[in-house]
Amino acid sequence: ELKVEQNPLFLSMQEGKNYTIYCNYSTTSDRLYWYRQDPGKSLESLFVLLSNGAVKQEGRLMASLDTKARLSTLHITAAVHDLSATYFCAVVYKGGGADGLTFGKGTHLIIQP
Amino acid sequence: DSGVTQTPKHLITATGQRVTLRCSPRSGDLSVYWYQQSLDQGLQFLIQYYNGEERAKGNILERFSAQQFPDLHSELNLSSLELGDSALYFCASSVASGRPDTGELFFGEGSRLTVL
Repeated sequence: ELKVEQNPLFLSMQEGKNYTIYCNYSTTSDRLYWYRQDPGKSLESLFVLLSNGAVKQEGRLMASLDTKARLSTLHITAAVHDLSATYFCAVVYKGGGADGLTFGKGTHLIIQP
Repeated sequence: DSGVTQTPKHLITATGQRVTLRCSPRSGDLSVYWYQQSLDQGLQFLIQYYNGEERAKGNILERFSAQQFPDLHSELNLSSLELGDSALYFCASSVASGRPDTGELFFGEGSRLTVL
């Protein structure tokens, strides 16, 4: 069974600071996804990482993937309040010939002024 | 706007009842997924359909069933509802015919089910 673990699960930080969210997964996969969810809202795709060493950046967020370590990171640079949300990583699970995404429990991020 | 449409947005019903949630995928997407999100269980994969055929099953209860119709919309049927079925149910779509498949899912706004 594929397990996806994120840490931390809760993070309160100040504006202007840097921080990293970690995502570990338990089985071989070369595809990893990061999503953002605002309270009561849908999941918004942030990054699609499709190979070992992939790095993607959008504004103050940067995601990377190390398939050998089974680890992805989401780095926040100079955080601003608008980035407050829950961030999920998800990994492709191949079972029974079908694909599906297994999600981590999410990191609830609060950025305070 | 992801292009995935779910109805209803909110639903309140009683234990023992049956409800149907509906999902229209993004134009051209062949694959539909259903997920359940609750505070204690997080995001749980329920079931996937691809072009009308069931493709994968996750943690879907026997009281729940789904189908995908020829026009590619999907319905999730929840029966004999229990208090613990209260959750946000998301539909997602992917795999548009003729487009590269990155495996990325596009989520609808969800249907919030409250069982009283």
